[in-house]
Amino acid sequence: DVKVTQSSRYLVKRTGEKVFLECVQDMDHENMFWYRQDPGLGLRLIYFSYDVKMKEKGDIPEGYSVSREKKERFSLILESASTNQTSMYLCASSLQGMKQYFGPGTRLTVT
Amino acid sequence: DAKTTQPPSMDCAEGRAANLPCNHSTISGNEYVYWYRQIHSQGPQYIIHGLKNNETNEMASLIITEDRKSSTLILPHATLRDTAVYYCIVRVADSWGKFQFGAGTQVVVTP
Repeated sequence: DVKVTQSSRYLVKRTGEKVFLECVQDMDHENMFWYRQDPGLGLRLIYFSYDVKMKEKGDIPEGYSVSREKKERFSLILESASTNQTSMYLCASSLQGMKQYFGPGTRLTVT
Repeated sequence: DAKTTQPPSMDCAEGRAANLPCNHSTISGNEYVYWYRQIHSQGPQYIIHGLKNNETNEMASLIITEDRKSSTLILPHATLRDTAVYYCIVRVADSWGKFQFGAGTQVVVTP
């Protein structure tokens, strides 16, 4: 089975801190995605990557950046965390055009 | 990608079949129907997908109407662990990028 793991299940950070969320997949998938999920807003795509060192903005990239130095790893970076970035963050991976596999999520609280 | 409509909630008795409807009246010929579910505080889990033929796997069955404007996900013998939000998504085959998750159907399986 495909496994997508995220570095933390719960994270608490202070406003202004730099935050790194890590995602690793073990199935050699080309595509990786970062979403955030908020009540009433569903899942929204932040960034995705279709290859190493390649990235594309999703619907809500402001305040975030990403890094993909290795195929299996996709990092989401909050350069200066703000309270409105408190959310559930979900990573996913897929082969080209195929179903996405999701990680367990990281619940980030920014105080 | 076409929009989908699902009922906001439904209850099901344990051991009975759960039939989850989804309307996708504007679906295009090259769009697949995908179903995911999300158990509370976890990442979404892929269930099944199909184009026009009915599909079955170890988790569920997918029935797509002949005109493809609606579909039904069937959980043949619901268990308490099937309590989750179920999402119906239509998506162009071979497209990369996000899955557009709507509000889904909250299914509660009761003893």
